[in-house]
Amino acid sequence: KQEVTQIPAALSVPEGENLVLNCSFTDSAIYNLQWFRQDPGKGLTSLLLIQSSQREQTSGRLNASLDKSSGRSTLYIAASQPGDSATYLCAVMGYGGATNKLIFGTGTLLAVQP
Amino acid sequence: DAGVIQSPRHEVTEMGQEVTLRCKPISGHDYLFWYRQTMMRGLELLIYFNNNVPIDDSGMPEDRFSAKMPNASFSTLKIQPSEPRDSAVYFCASSSTVLTGELFFGEGSRLTVL
Repeated sequence: KQEVTQIPAALSVPEGENLVLNCSFTDSAIYNLQWFRQDPGKGLTSLLLIQSSQREQTSGRLNASLDKSSGRSTLYIAASQPGDSATYLCAVMGYGGATNKLIFGTGTLLAVQP
Repeated sequence: DAGVIQSPRHEVTEMGQEVTLRCKPISGHDYLFWYRQTMMRGLELLIYFNNNVPIDDSGMPEDRFSAKMPNASFSTLKIQPSEPRDSAVYFCASSSTVLTGELFFGEGSRLTVL
């Protein structure tokens, strides 16, 4: 059974710092891994999608890496801003025949202090 | 496109009442997912549809929960009778493909059962 873990559960940094969020998964047989952002009281917004054949994806100040063999992904945020404050979730899509499911981690709550 | 649209945004009801949550996916997306989010369990997949057909409902907690997708632009999640432990945020999401595509979420329906 696929399990997704995110460390740390919460993180507070001063504005301008670079930071790394971690995601680990137990089963390396995945189709893709996605990073999402969730603001309080809102739905999830997809940030980056990494296919299983890819090593990383970049969008603006965000860079996500994927190491399937070790079951790890990182989300790197450069030059953090207060507007980056949110909960960040990773999710993996595993193999499963007709029961393909996106399994979510519990998230990292990020606070960027001005 | 307006994105995934859910209604109601908030619902407060009494135990034993029927609750119906509604979702309009993004036009052209063949996959629709219902998730439930709680503090204790995080995001859980309840059911997903492909071309209006339920593919995997193994996450539906009990027979009190049912979901339908009568056409490509509308889905409902019904709880009858509702119980206090059903209190959660229910998200609908859609995707153009289940394996390699991004998942787009609605803003969620916050359900409180008293």
